[in-house]
Amino acid sequence: DVKVTQSSRYLVKRTGEKVFLECVQDMDHENMFWYRQDPGLGLRLIYFSYDVKMKEKGDIPEGYSVSREKKERFSLILESASTNQTSMYLCASSFGPRGYEQYFGPGTRLTVT
Amino acid sequence: GENVEQHPSTLSVQEGDSAVIKCTYSDSASNYFPWYKQELGKGPQLIIDIRSNVGEKKDQRIAVTLNKTAKHFSLHITETQPEDSAVYFCAASSLDGSARQLTFGSGTQLTVLP
Repeated sequence: DVKVTQSSRYLVKRTGEKVFLECVQDMDHENMFWYRQDPGLGLRLIYFSYDVKMKEKGDIPEGYSVSREKKERFSLILESASTNQTSMYLCASSFGPRGYEQYFGPGTRLTVT
Repeated sequence: GENVEQHPSTLSVQEGDSAVIKCTYSDSASNYFPWYKQELGKGPQLIIDIRSNVGEKKDQRIAVTLNKTAKHFSLHITETQPEDSAVYFCAASSLDGSARQLTFGSGTQLTVLP
């Protein structure tokens, strides 16, 4: 079975802190994605990567950056956390050049106070 | 870019009844339409998908229909069971070129009442 793990299920950070969310997949998938999930807004794509050291902006990249130094690991970075970044963050991965089925991790509930 | 609208936002049905969730999309280039189910405390999981060269696809109690002319697609769940209670998301994407992104709808909270 494909497994996508995220470093924390719950995280509480203060405004202005630098926050790292880590995601690891164990199926040698080429593509990895970061979404945020908010009630009534569904899943919105923040960034994605289709290869090591490659990244592309999604629909809402402002205030975020990403890093992919190894194929299995994709990190989401909040350079200076703000209260409007309080959300559920979901990581996903998919195999192949066009990423058909996406496999999701369980999510990280981030609260910024 | 693509925009996907999903209705209803909440849906309650009696066990054994059918449930229908509808989505519309804006980009005529979209040709791949998956549906994901998210159970409480878990990430979304693909349950069924359909491509634009097919009008309907069925998998046991779940079916999806696609009307490309009208740019809408629907999820049908028959003989609903309590374990069908979850949040359902539709999505749209183009499989051509280098596009790998899915644009998701806003989600439908389905509750199956015993």
